[in-house]
Amino acid sequence: DAKTTQPPSMDCAEGRAANLPCNHSTISGNEYVYWYRQIHSQGPQYIIHGLKNNETNEMASLIITEDRKSSTLILPHATLRDTAVYYCIDSTVGDDKIIFGKGTRLHILP
Amino acid sequence: DAGVIQSPRHEVTEMGQEVTLRCKPISGHDYLFWYRQTMMRGLELLIYFNNNVPIDDSGMPEDRFSAKMPNASFSTLKIQPSEPRDSAVYFCASSFTDRGLADTQYFGPGTRLTVL
Repeated sequence: DAKTTQPPSMDCAEGRAANLPCNHSTISGNEYVYWYRQIHSQGPQYIIHGLKNNETNEMASLIITEDRKSSTLILPHATLRDTAVYYCIDSTVGDDKIIFGKGTRLHILP
Repeated sequence: DAGVIQSPRHEVTEMGQEVTLRCKPISGHDYLFWYRQTMMRGLELLIYFNNNVPIDDSGMPEDRFSAKMPNASFSTLKIQPSEPRDSAVYFCASSFTDRGLADTQYFGPGTRLTVL
């Protein structure tokens, strides 16, 4: 079973920042936080990952709390194409596989 | 690179028939994963390979399912005999794992299987 908790759905207005929360209260020191998303009828797509520092790439930013028990994925200027299911996953160094939970269904409103 | 390639994209078959799904991973990737996605159960890992060797098949639902990876550029997932409850989207993914991390997985477009 997935070890993270996410809200089942969220709405965000187009052009605004979308902030998607994730709780991973049982995360251990060597576990990374990964985010993927799945647009309708497509395979999941990697977005970003981090250990304890905040991370940013061309798609999103990842903010991890100091105690590492939660994180937030930020899409700075959401567009309709960002409508998708977003999965937060914690993954241990040495583990080959990742376990997907139910994710958050993000609706971008025009 | 063309990404992970899966075929066929859609498959409709009748109960009892054999079904073979195919996957070509990204060149140079040493891990290959097979997933199944349904509305009820979400995205489930069925089996994965490292350097063409099956590592964990604990997610394979039953003996009707089998997977092979004869070489680094090809894998198959076979269902024999197929049943209506096998209807799902089957995804293949590959990754290059460095530093012992479950690194970025790249997913194919999936095969939508319908068993009548």
